[in-house]
Amino acid sequence: QVQLVQSGAEVKKPGASVKVSCKASGYTFTSYYMHWVRQAPGQGLEWMGIINPSGGSTSYAQKFQGRVTMTRDTSTSTVYMELSSLRSEDTAVYYCASGMVATCDYWGQGTLVTVSS
Amino acid sequence: EIVMTQSPATLSVSPGERATLSCRASQSVSSNLAWYQQKPGQAPRLLIYGASTRATGIPARFSGSGSGTEFTLTISSLQSEDFAVYYCQQYNNWPPETFGPGTKVDIK
Repeated sequence: QVQLVQSGAEVKKPGASVKVSCKASGYTFTSYYMHWVRQAPGQGLEWMGIINPSGGSTSYAQKFQGRVTMTRDTSTSTVYMELSSLRSEDTAVYYCASGMVATCDYWGQGTLVTVSS
Repeated sequence: EIVMTQSPATLSVSPGERATLSCRASQSVSSNLAWYQQKPGQAPRLLIYGASTRATGIPARFSGSGSGTEFTLTISSLQSEDFAVYYCQQYNNWPPETFGPGTKVDIK
């Protein structure tokens, strides 16, 4: 079965960067796109961007352009999301989610990123 | 950017009753609309895609309808495990894909 396992919780200071990983199993890694979605405490879902693991192409929400980088390692079936210049408003649970293209069919367990001085 | 709105914000329903949730897009998204369920402390789960197609393993009591700008998620007979927050998402014009603010379905 499809499984997405994310890296553990992180605590970062304002201005720092964080890199979250998402290891996929149970399907052909290059067949499904990978989305990143975040959820601030008590808030709704916010789509950050998408990566095509096959060629590595990416598309980001304009809000995150210049601050987010999504990459993949096909040898380990892992995708990464790096967010830089962190501020307190970036405190959230970050999810990876895979899908045929545009829908988020399968989700990781989430990674809590806390930004605090 | 397409803005998604959902109503009501909270829906109080008794077990066994029908629940009807609404989602509206600021411009047409054709049928490129998905619904997700999220329970406290859990990741969201895909329920419906293409406005009306149930995802794998989703019970038949969940149904979706609509196209263009107006969509509905109906839960025909609420079970205890259905009390959760429901989000709609458009994927017609992206980036970005956009989610609605959610509807919380709680026990009456």
